[in-house]
Amino acid sequence: DSGVTQTPKHLITATGQRVTLRCSPRSGDLSVYWYQQSLDQGLQFLIQYYNGEERAKGNILERFSAQQFPDLHSELNLSSLELGDSALYFCASSGSGTSGSYEQYFGPGTRLTVT
Amino acid sequence: GQNIDQPTEMTATEGAIVQINCTYQTSGFNGLFWYQQHAGEAPTFLSYNVLDGLEEKGRFSSFLSRSKGYSYLLLKELQMKDSASYLCAGASGGYQKVTFGTGTKLQVIP
Repeated sequence: DSGVTQTPKHLITATGQRVTLRCSPRSGDLSVYWYQQSLDQGLQFLIQYYNGEERAKGNILERFSAQQFPDLHSELNLSSLELGDSALYFCASSGSGTSGSYEQYFGPGTRLTVT
Repeated sequence: GQNIDQPTEMTATEGAIVQINCTYQTSGFNGLFWYQQHAGEAPTFLSYNVLDGLEEKGRFSSFLSRSKGYSYLLLKELQMKDSASYLCAGASGGYQKVTFGTGTKLQVIP
């Protein structure tokens, strides 16, 4: 157990709909990252937040948005869903690197199926 | 940014040693991560190298050469449960932006 929680575990929805994925980082971690992983594909970095502020953006579509709240949990909003958005969505968190590293700890993921 | 390159697939025999290579292009390079990911599961952290040289952690070791932009993950005494994808990831910039490679799918055969 990494200490990162994600809800829901599975989500099935129709094209054109909107969904919200939720992530709670490990206790004390200030950074949250979102990744998309399609079947047999690598991890695609979407966005990073640090202590409530957007820190880095990857290949995130305009239909997708995210935020990190004062209690440090984060939400990823996916709208106007398309079949190609079906994927595993991972959240990861990292701390300040007390050992000099900034390893990311991943949540179990949310499997999104768009039908 | 980073450009991470690693082989797509490898096959090795149970009990053997396998080396998974990773090359990267540096731009504000800070360090290199290795993660293990079993199919359908979350990646788990294996190692982080900042300085040149070999770091050993049980059956797994990771090597870094900053001057060559090169790293490898060495797995010894392979077990069937080591069948997984191994992700190389480079960290760069002041905010430690991490870029993942596409991963190397390792199949361990009896």
